[in-house]
Amino acid sequence: AQSVTQPDIHITVSEGASLELRCNYSYGATPYLFWYVQSPGQGLQLLLKYFSGDTLVQGIKGFEAEFKRSQSSFNLRKPSVHWSDAAEYFCAVGALSGGYNKLIFGAGTRLAVHP
Amino acid sequence: DGGITQSPKYLFRKEGQNVTLSCEQNLNHDAMYWYRQDPGQGLRLIYYSQIVNDFQKGDIAEGYSVSREKKESFPLTVTSAQKNPTAFYLCASSIQGQGEKLFFGSGTQLSVL
Repeated sequence: AQSVTQPDIHITVSEGASLELRCNYSYGATPYLFWYVQSPGQGLQLLLKYFSGDTLVQGIKGFEAEFKRSQSSFNLRKPSVHWSDAAEYFCAVGALSGGYNKLIFGAGTRLAVHP
Repeated sequence: DGGITQSPKYLFRKEGQNVTLSCEQNLNHDAMYWYRQDPGQGLRLIYYSQIVNDFQKGDIAEGYSVSREKKESFPLTVTSAQKNPTAFYLCASSIQGQGEKLFFGSGTQLSVL
């Protein structure tokens, strides 16, 4: 069955430090992979996505993610974190179900940023 | 501006009461979705609809009902059969066949009185 695991529930970093959020997936075929960000009480905003091609994808707000098939991973990175990056981050995999594509989400990682 | 509007932002339900959450989109998307979000559990799919007058159960449909009478609207009713309704509910839409490219509303927080 398709699934997404985000091993870290909470992460705290200092402003200006680098960031890596982990994501592992389970999916039989070549996956479509996504990272979303959610501010408190708000909907989800798409940060970036991987469908095919270059395994290093660039997103909005200075984020990037690298698809590693051998490790079934799609980790999110940012070289220098800003206080405004504090939010919850969700990794997701696109999967076929009942003839339709749908998203399967991980449980999320909550990021706190210290000044 | 095109987008998805969810209302109300906050909703309270009494025991034994049905409540309806509104979701309207002006993106001209065929497909619409309802997700439930609980702390530490991510998002779980309740119902989805690919076209008007058609919808399918997601992973946690019990205690919920939906209708899709118009392309723009996909209301969710939380029935009295849903024993643990307190959660954050997110509506989303997509172009048909592109269910992996979701656009989300800003959510409704439902709480039980």
